[in-house]
Parts: sequence; structure tokens; C-alpha cells
Amino acid sequence: QVQLQESGPGLVEPSETLSLTCTVPGDPIRSHYWGWIRQPPGREPEWIGYIYYSGSTNYRPSLKSRVTISLDTSKNQFSLSLTSMTAADTAVYYCVRSIFLRFDSWGQGIPVTVSS
Amino acid sequence: QSVLTQPPSVSGAAGQRVTISCTGGSSNIGAGFDVHWYQQLAGTAPKLLIFANNNRPSGVPDRISGSKSGTSASLAITGLQAEDEAVYYCQSYDTSLNGVIFGGGTKLTVL
Repeated sequence: QVQLQESGPGLVEPSETLSLTCTVPGDPIRSHYWGWIRQPPGREPEWIGYIYYSGSTNYRPSLKSRVTISLDTSKNQFSLSLTSMTAADTAVYYCVRSIFLRFDSWGQGIPVTVSS
Repeated sequence: QSVLTQPPSVSGAAGQRVTISCTGGSSNIGAGFDVHWYQQLAGTAPKLLIFANNNRPSGVPDRISGSKSGTSASLAITGLQAEDEAVYYCQSYDTSLNGVIFGGGTKLTVL
């Protein structure tokens, strides 16, 4: 396991873009898959997508038109961008490490509220 | 409605055994994709409890086990302890949805 740490705003206005960053100390990002999962209040986790160090990505089909996950290997970080935010996107957002389609390391989570 | 179906709640007395089921279909568990289980304590991130159907990460006690058969999987916890009280989620992959899927979660109450 590795310790992941999310950072970003906790409040986003409707129609704006959410930008979150995950820092991965001590584990070279040039290995494994790295991704994002969100959990709406009182609901099960919802997979958003993941990226491999090669740059290949896979996104949740229902979010594909709005989501981008990118890597910054120089900072050992990866990021999430989610456009056109609505109240339905209110959730706790987790960054994760993915190995063979399972998630063995999670950040502590960052609550994001969409509201004006 | 989650693609993977779990009972909303289960309960058991301390020291007893409980099982949590996870029912899928031919495009996920039945297609051969592995099932993974997570434990989420109140206010914390989910933690990987069982991976690839029946494997425990280091640090997970052997009183916790997993199994898979056909289009379903199960998580078993023996010797229930108060600290097992949590929500448990199963997770797999679905070829029809082309993505990772989670069950709706099962809240375990230790009586």
C-alpha cells in the first residue's frame, strides 16, 4: 500500500470545472494504474476512471465526455478534471492505486460540494 | 440500482459467523472477472479486504474469507468482533458497462 493525498477545492459552482490533484509520495508513478473514485452521500463508491503511466486511460462511460485524468511524472502526481459540474456530482472524491482492476491504496478523500 | 446486488444489512452476535452475498450476472462475475471486497468504517475511505475472490492482503486476519461461484460471490467473517461493524462493498468489472462496478453495500451490525 501507499499513502495517497488528494488536494483541491471543497466547493465548486454549478457549470464550473472540478480540478483535483493526487500526490503519491514514495511510489514511482511510472508503474501501476492510478485513478479516481467518488462516493455520493449515503451511496456506494462510483468508479470515475484510471490512467496508466503510458498515458492510456479508461473512463466511466457516463462521464467520458466530461472527465480527463492526467499524469505529472516529474511531480509524482496525477489529476482529475471534471467539467460542467452539477449537484449530482457532489461526493467525496478519492484517488486510488489500481492493480489488476482492484484498488489497494486509497487517499483519505476530499468532500466536494457543488453549490452557488 | 447497482449491477452487483448485496443485502442492505446483516447482523450477528459477537463471536458468531456472518456471510455477505454479492450477486452479479453473465457480463461481470459470470464472465470470469474477479471479485474484490472492501470494508468502510464510518467516516473513512474503503479498505481492500479481499482481492481476486479469496485472497487476503497482508494484515487482514484469516477469520475473513471470500469465495466465488458462478455469478455470485460471498464474504464470510467468523468470530465477529465489535470492530467489524462497518459497510462492506463488493467490486468487479462489467463488459457490458465497460467499467468497474461496485455493489450497493451491506451494513454489518455486531449485536
